[in-house]
Amino acid sequence: DAKTTQPPSMDCAEGRAANLPCNHSTISGNEYVYWYRQIHSQGPQYIIHGLKNNETNEMASLIITEDRKSSTLILPHATLRDTAVYYCIVRVGGLTGGGNKLTFGTGTQLKVEL
Amino acid sequence: ETGVTQSPTHLIKTRGQQVTLRCSSQSGHNTVSWYQQALGQGPQFIFQYYREEENGRGNFPPRFSGLQFPNYSSELNVNALELDDSALYLCASSHPGNYGYTFGSGTRLTVV
Repeated sequence: DAKTTQPPSMDCAEGRAANLPCNHSTISGNEYVYWYRQIHSQGPQYIIHGLKNNETNEMASLIITEDRKSSTLILPHATLRDTAVYYCIVRVGGLTGGGNKLTFGTGTQLKVEL
Repeated sequence: ETGVTQSPTHLIKTRGQQVTLRCSSQSGHNTVSWYQQALGQGPQFIFQYYREEENGRGNFPPRFSGLQFPNYSSELNVNALELDDSALYLCASSHPGNYGYTFGSGTRLTVV
């Protein structure tokens, strides 16, 4: 699996948009970009994933550059409960199973403050 | 719809002992993965089970072993515990037709 690079920490004011960047310059054509987050003392939580088009769901938006070498996770209106470690992961294929593991880095610690 | 449940939540063992951790997968999920998360690090993949067989393994020694049962629940067994095995052990379930994994809250293992 390709490796990703994320800033170790970021701060965001409550109510503002949180934009979390991720570099994945060696991503292959069949690798998807996934985002998970881990709130303290809990297991990671799936947020969103994409291949090359921008994606949006009820939690966040994912913007992938045209060359696919980087992406940005956007939390449009961050709240205190969004304080967590956010992991950007690239992996082959879009479906689970077949030993298709998740390779986590150290992620970005997002702190949302009043 | 129930999520992934793990037991116990906390455990203290002595070096050299054996431990068994348990995981009940989310309803409808037939694939279970186990991860080890050391303090301050991201989770590291241990192995994955699908239809009761191991179908993927990370860089962990053979003393880490597992089982998956017909009801898709799973166990992680660690023999000859070492101090470095102290970590949060996470179980994740999925269905091959899904895109995401559902994680449990983990078992905190402390080896003394």
